Amino acid sequence: DTEVTQTPKHLVMGMTNKKSLKCEQHMGHRAMYWYKQKAKKPPELMFVYSYEKLSINESVPSRFSPECPNSSLLNLHLHALQPEDSALYLCASSQDPLADVKETQYFGPGTRLLVL
Amino acid sequence: SQQGEEDPQALSIQEGENATMNCSYKTSINNLQWYRQNSGRGLVHLILIRSNEREKHSGRLRVTLDTSKKSSSLLITASRAADTASYFCATDDAGGTSYGKLTFGQGTILTVHP
Repeated sequence: DTEVTQTPKHLVMGMTNKKSLKCEQHMGHRAMYWYKQKAKKPPELMFVYSYEKLSINESVPSRFSPECPNSSLLNLHLHALQPEDSALYLCASSQDPLADVKETQYFGPGTRLLVL
Repeated sequence: SQQGEEDPQALSIQEGENATMNCSYKTSINNLQWYRQNSGRGLVHLILIRSNEREKHSGRLRVTLDTSKKSSSLLITASRAADTASYFCATDDAGGTSYGKLTFGQGTILTVHP
């Protein structure tokens, strides 16, 4: 199984709502990532989890709260978002975050988020 | 300055033609990867070339890496309409401590006309 799944595929939320994005992989990967991607732009790294611990936070606003309940699951909790947060949110995983040479990242299909 | 600049920004060709995309970067790297993204979907890994390699092939893909010029190119031969997508290069920083972090280029939008 070389698949990263993400739910939901689409999400519309108001600025006062609380929602969560979910990501799952069963490849035994120990690094998981959240990216944000605006239209016609490259993915921008938000968070990296390594062995279920947050290792990188790219100065992301606190209205985005990541969580890694176990080695297969990654959540992104959303609260009080702004319209400019509308984007495609991508989850990815890779095998060994401690490898000297960084390897392939496997991406999920993304969640298209619209904040009204 | 931005790691992973790509050119051209957009490329339009006819089916059967070859497509070449270029990527430049600024720091020393361990490897360089190319990813494809179909419209609004997740990225798919295409090929990885290590810093001690100069050329690599995978099916209709050919990647070159010139570490002296800090540049890479992706060649897609005999293109097909299904190759229509955005293509991104991604590098990891050999001197950095942010393990796991890839930096993506701005991407090339390839359109292959039937």
